[in-house]
Amino acid sequence: GDSVTQMEGPVTLSEEAFLTINCTYTATGYPSLFWYVQYPGEGLQLLLKATKADDKGSNKGFEATYRKETTSFHLEKGSVQVSDSAVYFCALEDGGGADGLTFGKGTHLIIQP
Amino acid sequence: DARVTQTPRHKVTEMGQEVTMRCQPILGHNTVFWYRQTMMQGLELLAYFRNRAPLDDSGMPKDRFSAEMPDATLATLKIQPSEPRDSAVYFCASGCRRDRVKWLAKNIQYFGAGTRLSVL
Repeated sequence: GDSVTQMEGPVTLSEEAFLTINCTYTATGYPSLFWYVQYPGEGLQLLLKATKADDKGSNKGFEATYRKETTSFHLEKGSVQVSDSAVYFCALEDGGGADGLTFGKGTHLIIQP
Repeated sequence: DARVTQTPRHKVTEMGQEVTMRCQPILGHNTVFWYRQTMMQGLELLAYFRNRAPLDDSGMPKDRFSAEMPDATLATLKIQPSEPRDSAVYFCASGCRRDRVKWLAKNIQYFGAGTRLSVL
């Protein structure tokens, strides 16, 4: 079945550091890929998405590129802020018609001033 | 500001009791999902509905869990009887899916804040 693997962390960085959170996936079809973010005590919010190979999703300084050849969708940001501290989830939606999302375990990101 | 509303936000109950969680999807959304989040398993899809009809509940323990949509503005997830292993955060999400053709699909899911369930 489908699966998503991401680094679990916690990942601790200093403010203004460069961020990479790795995400790889296994899927039978042509999935859409997502990054969701969860702040403490809140639900998940969509951060960015990509629906086909070589698409780049971007939002709030975060970027991720859909790499079909490496089955990856790594999240990057050039300069993180304390307010970026949260849990980040990589997810996929199977392109075969099933609509539920398959999530990675989540990466807890801590940004120190 | 449209949002998915879940009630209650927190629920503490004793083993064997019935628990009902409610979700109000975003108006106009035709697809509603239930997810469960635990430390061990992460986020798991339990069930989902389209146009109020159940499409997939394969992730849900059938003997004690049930999910329904009495109308387009309300989805419920019920556990009877509850067990300590059901302790988790339960999320509802809604979205809009009009067409199975991928490039037309609006497959963004909007999540509620969750119900944190503790079964003692």
